[in-house]
Amino acid sequence: AQSVSQHNHHVILSEAASLELGCNYSYGGTVNLFWYVQYPGQHLQLLLKYFSGDPLVKGIKGFEAEFIKSKFSFNLRKPSVQWSDTAEYFCAVMARGDKFYFGSGTKLNVKP
Amino acid sequence: ETGVTQTPRHLVMGMTNKKSLKCEQHLGHNAMYWYKQSAKKPLELMFVYSLEERVENNSVPSRFSPECPNSSHLFLHLHTLQPEDSALYLCASSQRLAGSDTQYFGPGTRLTVL
Repeated sequence: AQSVSQHNHHVILSEAASLELGCNYSYGGTVNLFWYVQYPGQHLQLLLKYFSGDPLVKGIKGFEAEFIKSKFSFNLRKPSVQWSDTAEYFCAVMARGDKFYFGSGTKLNVKP
Repeated sequence: ETGVTQTPRHLVMGMTNKKSLKCEQHLGHNAMYWYKQSAKKPLELMFVYSLEERVENNSVPSRFSPECPNSSHLFLHLHTLQPEDSALYLCASSQRLAGSDTQYFGPGTRLTVL
């Protein structure tokens, strides 16, 4: 069965710290990759996506993610987090047949 | 962001009740989805409708019954639910294209089954 793993369930950082959230998936074929964010009390929003081309993808609010095909990974990064980045982050993979698989999410808490 | 709306936002029901969740998308998309979001678990895809036809049902219990009368509206009819069905139910829509598909989510309905 296909799966998406987010190894960090809860991350606590101070403002200005660098962030890297891990995402690994198990699917050997062509995939499209996504990161979604859910701010407190708000709905899921697309942060960035990778379909093809440059494996380093830049999204909104200074976030970026790198697709490393050999590692089946799509880690999310931000060089300097802000208090307003406190949210839950979900990695998602769309595999052949347009099947969407989500990770269990990582809660990020940024201390001011 | 009002591309995908869901009503009601909160619902409390007993196990013998019948209720319906409603989703409406204003993005001109041709596919709609129901997801279940439980604490500490990945989002679970429940149903997919593409061009108003159900294309996927991920072994969801029959006490959940979807309906998609047109490309803009999606319902989830609920009856004789169990307490473990308490969760956030999310609706999403997308424009299904081969090889590229971004889903846009509604705010969800927080369901509590007593």
